Amino acid sequence: DTAVSQTPKYLVTQMGNDKSIKCEQNLGHDTMYWYKQDSKKFLKIMFSYNNKELIINETVPNRFSPKSPDKAHLNLHINSLELGDSAVYFCASSPFGGNTEAFFGQGTRLTVV
Amino acid sequence: QQQVKQSPQSLIVQKGGISIINCAYENTAFDYFPWYQQFPGKGPALLIAIRPDVSEKKEGRFTISFNKSAKQFSLHIMDSQPGDSATYFCAARTSGTYKYIFGTGTRLKVLA
Repeated sequence: DTAVSQTPKYLVTQMGNDKSIKCEQNLGHDTMYWYKQDSKKFLKIMFSYNNKELIINETVPNRFSPKSPDKAHLNLHINSLELGDSAVYFCASSPFGGNTEAFFGQGTRLTVV
Repeated sequence: QQQVKQSPQSLIVQKGGISIINCAYENTAFDYFPWYQQFPGKGPALLIAIRPDVSEKKEGRFTISFNKSAKQFSLHIMDSQPGDSATYFCAARTSGTYKYIFGTGTRLKVLA
């Protein structure tokens, strides 16, 4: 009964490859996010979707493309992976309105070699 | 103006002591301030949160103090325990959005 689940947990891939990370939440939340945590633990928002609609798109290279097939899922596809993409990627979700704290998944550690 | 500045970067506290982590912000459009706790290999987990119309909020051993005029808020962990050893992040949400800006994190180590 995991609230926000991401797959895979670990991903090791070569430069130039294309990879996807999947995220699902069973909390009934309307809003989902992708955050990137670098080696210094800094957490930075990348994207946010509200009811399948993109509402936040930070200055992320267009090699990163989020896709939300429904409000319970938000996947992240990365094209032409680069060494600098190595990080931990966190999916999160939050309810609409009220005390909208975000709930995070366990993270996907991406290593580009 | 979008930044949330967090200090200290690391903190070592004896068991039973008080851990204090501070955050400061500039953007007056922030309207919600959660604190997250992150253990190694895990995602950040919400610890406690506060709105700017409240000066203090306490949940168990964790207290947020909020100073709206100074644009500062802090987390106090009373009777710190070794199990509290983790990285703590303050965050702020921009009003009318779902955008959370995180502080740079504080690595807390509580000595047994």
